[in-house]
Amino acid sequence: DQQVKQNSPSLSVQEGRISILNCDYTNSMFDYFLWYKKYPAEGPTFLISISSIKDKNEDGRFTVFLNKSAKHLSLHIVPSQPGDSAVYFCAASDPGAQKLVFGQGTRLTINP
Amino acid sequence: NAGVTQTPKFRVLKTGQSMTLLCAQDMNHEYMYWYRQDPGMGLRLIHYSVGEGTTAKGEVPDGYNVSRLKKQNFLLGLESAAPSQTSVYFCASSDRGVELDTQYFGPGTRLTVL
Repeated sequence: DQQVKQNSPSLSVQEGRISILNCDYTNSMFDYFLWYKKYPAEGPTFLISISSIKDKNEDGRFTVFLNKSAKHLSLHIVPSQPGDSAVYFCAASDPGAQKLVFGQGTRLTINP
Repeated sequence: NAGVTQTPKFRVLKTGQSMTLLCAQDMNHEYMYWYRQDPGMGLRLIHYSVGEGTTAKGEVPDGYNVSRLKKQNFLLGLESAAPSQTSVYFCASSDRGVELDTQYFGPGTRLTVL
């Protein structure tokens, strides 16, 4: 059973516009959430994270929003740049767990 | 620092053959992880280790074994490879666990089992 779901396999956005990537989870014990970015032939790299005590976390062009009641988080990229084209994975963890559960990934393509 | 390195980068096996994937990190991290990535499945945890000499099962451990004899190395073994183990394998490490530190990933090993 997939505890972390990214229902959009792909997303295409015009350069300069906002990219919104979505992630849903089912385990109400999850209290820490992360986004990773992956380029082809490379390992994933950490992008941004959020604790369940917050509903928003910003880092430059990247903002993650958490809606605990809906068990939903989203990653906003503003403005989108061609270098943002990659696969984005959301991940979650519950308290005390020493491991992450990843979603299936969303391939983001930024068009010039 | 090289970070997290994986050996080999590519490998083709025949069904029933065995092999070992090596992960090495030079960041003195306590935690190490092995994942596999398959289309539409994301990253799934195979096994992980919270310190030298310790290992634990992840989501999809069947058909794999691991060892963490040295803090800097985490080995993933396939005793009898099957076509279902065709995948890209990623190793990761972190210093203090999930909420205190990010995981650093290696570049991956692409394995094909014929």
